[in-house]
Amino acid sequence: DQQVKQNSPSLSVQEGRISILNCDYTNSMFDYFLWYKKYPAEGPTFLISISSIKDKNEDGRFTVFLNKSAKHLSLHIVPSQPGDSAVYFCAAQGGSEKLVFGKGMKLTVNP
Amino acid sequence: DGGITQSPKYLFRKEGQNVTLSCEQNLNHDAMYWYRQDPGQGLRLIYYSQIVNDFQKGDIAEGYSVSREKKESFPLTVTSAQKNPTAFYLCASSIGSWVSGNTIYFGEGSWLTVV
Repeated sequence: DQQVKQNSPSLSVQEGRISILNCDYTNSMFDYFLWYKKYPAEGPTFLISISSIKDKNEDGRFTVFLNKSAKHLSLHIVPSQPGDSAVYFCAAQGGSEKLVFGKGMKLTVNP
Repeated sequence: DGGITQSPKYLFRKEGQNVTLSCEQNLNHDAMYWYRQDPGQGLRLIYYSQIVNDFQKGDIAEGYSVSREKKESFPLTVTSAQKNPTAFYLCASSIGSWVSGNTIYFGEGSWLTVV
């Protein structure tokens, strides 16, 4: 049973527009959430995280929003750039649970 | 530079052979992990170690073995018992283990192909 779900396998946006990547989770014990970015044949790179005591965290062009009641988080990238084209993984942890990853979502930013 | 180094980047193995993937970190992290990535499968945990001389099985440990004799090193052996070893293997580390707020950092990965 998938505890972290990225239901859309891919997203294509135009350069300069907003990219919104979504993630849903089922385990109410999760209280720390992370986003990773991965290029082909490379290791994932940590992008941004959010604790459950917050509902928003910003870092430059990247903002993560957390809706605890809906068990939903999203990553916003504004403005999107071609170099943002990659696979994005959502991950969650809480209590003594190990980090759980979603299956990833491929973002393509078209020039 | 601080980081996680995996070697080799590409490895070919004949069926029936054991191979060992190296992972070294100089971040002074206590916890280390091995993940496997297959297309469409996301990242699956093979083994993890929270401290030197201790390690636990992850979700897909069958056919793999590890050791943690030094804090900075966590090699993974893919044995001949692993039925589908061809994959992209990722080593990772974090300051502590499964405690909220501990970010896991990854190495560059190793491609293993069985020929």
